[in-house]
Amino acid sequence: DTAVSQTPKYLVTQMGNDKSIKCEQNLGHDTMYWYKQDSKKFLKIMFSYNNKELIINETVPNRFSPKSPDKAHLNLHINSLELGDSAVYFCASSQGGPGLAGARTYFGPGTRLTVL
Amino acid sequence: AQKITQTQPGMFVQEKEAVTLDCTYDTSDPSYGLFWYKQPSSGEMIFLIYQGSYDQQNATEGRYSLNFQKARKSANLVISASQLGDSAMYFCAIRGTGANSKLTFGKGITLSVRP
Repeated sequence: DTAVSQTPKYLVTQMGNDKSIKCEQNLGHDTMYWYKQDSKKFLKIMFSYNNKELIINETVPNRFSPKSPDKAHLNLHINSLELGDSAVYFCASSQGGPGLAGARTYFGPGTRLTVL
Repeated sequence: AQKITQTQPGMFVQEKEAVTLDCTYDTSDPSYGLFWYKQPSSGEMIFLIYQGSYDQQNATEGRYSLNFQKARKSANLVISASQLGDSAMYFCAIRGTGANSKLTFGKGITLSVRP
């Protein structure tokens, strides 16, 4: 059973298009995240949702809009794609609370977005 | 604010030998957790090991151990008996324990295991 899944795995699109990436977790976690990994492999948080509520928004252009219809799903919509948006986008989730059980973050397989 | 520093250039190790990957951190949180993740060429993020800031003993998970020195703010990963499949990128990360906590990653270290 896949813990955190995201689709699509690869996304190739033209500049200016709008695209979405979907994410689902079946771990029963309360918190979900979007991370971006750039061409230099640096991983940075973009958004975090706790029980459908936005709790972290890290200076991301407003062309990026996350949506959490329920606590098991966190989708990422990107408007007017730019060349610099090319990256790998990881969805992740964690339970929250003390210790490893609460803090461990589970990652999806990643979506490689290429903007031409 | 939290910060992770991984400054080693690409690391090489002979198969079956041990290797240490360095990580130093900075945080203002009184309680935090330190993580190591492995990212092979296939791209997935694989959790390896966790150390809580108040854990009395250094964490171990199979061939992975964490050399945690709180006063020096370092959390080095030791991989014993390296295998070819250990060739990957390794990320150190820190996370506070507050409600708005998130993982903050270092820039990663590339490890290559030589046969």
